[in-house]
Amino acid sequence: KAGVTQTPRYLIKTRGQQVTLSCSPISGHRSVSWYQQTPGQGLQFLFEYFSETQRNKGNFPGRFSGRQFSNSRSEMNVSTLELGDSALYLCASSSGRTDTQYFGPGTRLTVL
Amino acid sequence: AQTVTQSQPEMSVQEAETVTLSCTYDTSESDYYLFWYKQPPSRQMILVIRQEAYKQQNATENRFSVNFQKAAKSFSLKISDSQLGDAAMYFCAYRRLYSGNTPLVFGKGTRLSVIA
Repeated sequence: KAGVTQTPRYLIKTRGQQVTLSCSPISGHRSVSWYQQTPGQGLQFLFEYFSETQRNKGNFPGRFSGRQFSNSRSEMNVSTLELGDSALYLCASSSGRTDTQYFGPGTRLTVL
Repeated sequence: AQTVTQSQPEMSVQEAETVTLSCTYDTSESDYYLFWYKQPPSRQMILVIRQEAYKQQNATENRFSVNFQKAAKSFSLKISDSQLGDAAMYFCAYRRLYSGNTPLVFGKGTRLSVIA
């Protein structure tokens, strides 16, 4: 099976812009979670989607949003970018039965 | 809230030797999963090993094994016959069993260097 894929792998944006990141889970996986990784804060949970419904949300401002499509692919959007949004954004999928999350390669976002 | 602590920010090991990475966690739950993930310089987070808290037997995956002490809330990772490719950040993570909608909780990580 193909692994979790994320696009794009790298992004450079300027403050105030918005960005959309995409994640395609492992075939058959219906749960997609998003995490932000920074040197200072480590790995922080953003949100999780299951069957197109957001099941849980981390402690991030409303500028961070996401959605999941009927094919389980997920997107996350960050509006009005700030310098502090520079991070590695990781997507993980799970089947829901095993509860093991498998990660994609991440999208490196740099905000200038 | 659950927390995961990795007290060793950095460790090093000679090639072919054995190293143990420490992890402790805090939870009031009795059923949960524990994981070790590896993140090499490529940044891809790779699952190393998984332990279900209701299983007494320690999980093993080839050269990787864990020492799971439920009462002490300790979950250490032992890497035997270390290889250069083992050099990476290692993250310990916790997730409640039958979590449905609870996320992974990660420790801050341990950077492992392998010396040739």
